[in-house]
This record gives sequence, C-alpha cells and structure tokens, in this order.
Amino acid sequence: RKEVEQDPGPFNVPEGATVAFNCTYSNSASQSFFWYRQDCRKEPKLLMSVYSSGNEDGRFTAQLNRASQYISLLIRDSKLSDSATYLCVVTATPTNQAGTALIFGKGTTLSVSS
Amino acid sequence: NAGVTQTPKFRVLKTGQSMTLLCAQDMNHEYMYWYRQDPGMGLRLIHYSVGEGTTAKGEVPDGYNVSRLKKQNFLLGLESAAPSQTSVYFCASSPGLAGVGTGELFFGEGSRLTVL
Repeated sequence: RKEVEQDPGPFNVPEGATVAFNCTYSNSASQSFFWYRQDCRKEPKLLMSVYSSGNEDGRFTAQLNRASQYISLLIRDSKLSDSATYLCVVTATPTNQAGTALIFGKGTTLSVSS
Repeated sequence: NAGVTQTPKFRVLKTGQSMTLLCAQDMNHEYMYWYRQDPGMGLRLIHYSVGEGTTAKGEVPDGYNVSRLKKQNFLLGLESAAPSQTSVYFCASSPGLAGVGTGELFFGEGSRLTVL
C-alpha cells in the first residue's frame, strides 16, 4: 500500500456544485494532516490543516478518520477559482529513514466550469 | 515580501552538464528543502537542511548535492545531469520541522529543468 493515496481525478463539476476528495494513508502513527492546493504550473500552498474533530474554513471542510486512516476535503458551492490540484499531505512520524517529515499524495485535480 | 525565490526558472541542459539551482528565502526560516515533482508522482524530497551549515539526504538524493553556507540560501547542484533528472524542482522553507505545528511549507515558484 502506498503511503498516501488519492484519486487523481479529474473531477469536472459545474459552478455551485459540492465535491468531495478522499485520501488514505498507510502510516497509522501519522499525527498531522494537511491539504495543500496547487494551481496549474504553480507552487503548492497550504489550504488547511485537518484536525481530529474536523474543521471548516468557509466553503471548505476537512475530516479525519484515524480508525480508517482516511482524510477528506469537502468543497461546497464550487467557484471557477477552485480549479486546481489538491494535495493530501501526511506526516511521517517519527520521521522515516529518509528524514522525510511530510509525505505528499499525487493530488486530485478539480475543474470547475461555468 | 519576496518569500522564497528560485533561480533560474527554466533551464535546458545536455546530458553530462552541470548546473546549480539557487534558493533564497527572506523569512529567517531555519529549515529548507528541495523537492522534485514529476508527472504522476507526488512531491519527493531530495535533500533538506535544518540550519546553516547542515544538510541531510531525503528520499531521492542520488545525483544531487546541496550546500547551505548561509541561512537564507540553499543550493542544489547537479554534477552530471541525466535525462531522468528532467523535472520541476521546488525549494521550500519552514520555521520549524515540517509536519510539526502548522505543517506549513513555503514554496518557491519552481524551476523547470529539461535534460536532453
């Protein structure tokens, strides 16, 4: 099982739609979880952290299920500007042999159309 | 604020040539990282540094060398470029160890390298 797995998509949705992305991780000892956003040909940027109790930031809601080793990101009322690739990021805790503290998923691509 | 700046943004090399990618950050961050991103792959850590004068290997260090002589700069070198090193390279920095605290990495805009 790969360390962090995401459905690559693409997810093609109309404006106003609700879309959900899923991510699974293999290291049960991971303690911190994040969603990053990467626009086409741009650098990744932190979108939000994921907390055990779930958390919301405007139209974005992140959920964590430690028992199933599963993370989700829900986007409500999709905007054209939400079109991007969403990267699921998990800590390797303790850091793995390569010293890598953050494990990045390959990303899920979202395309919102008018 | 400049944040993290990478130079050059684009480069084409021939197999066997050498080059250096420069990363500069103005946020006084202790930690700096070099990642590569390839189609269908997640970001993979090449080398990282936990402070001035220190470097360490990441997941995919072979074929690369790094130096951190000054806190604000992190250099990535390719001594003898190979086509397998064609990639987009991202430098990043963080105030603490990535994954601790906010987990936020601040990335540069990327450097697109093609090795023919």
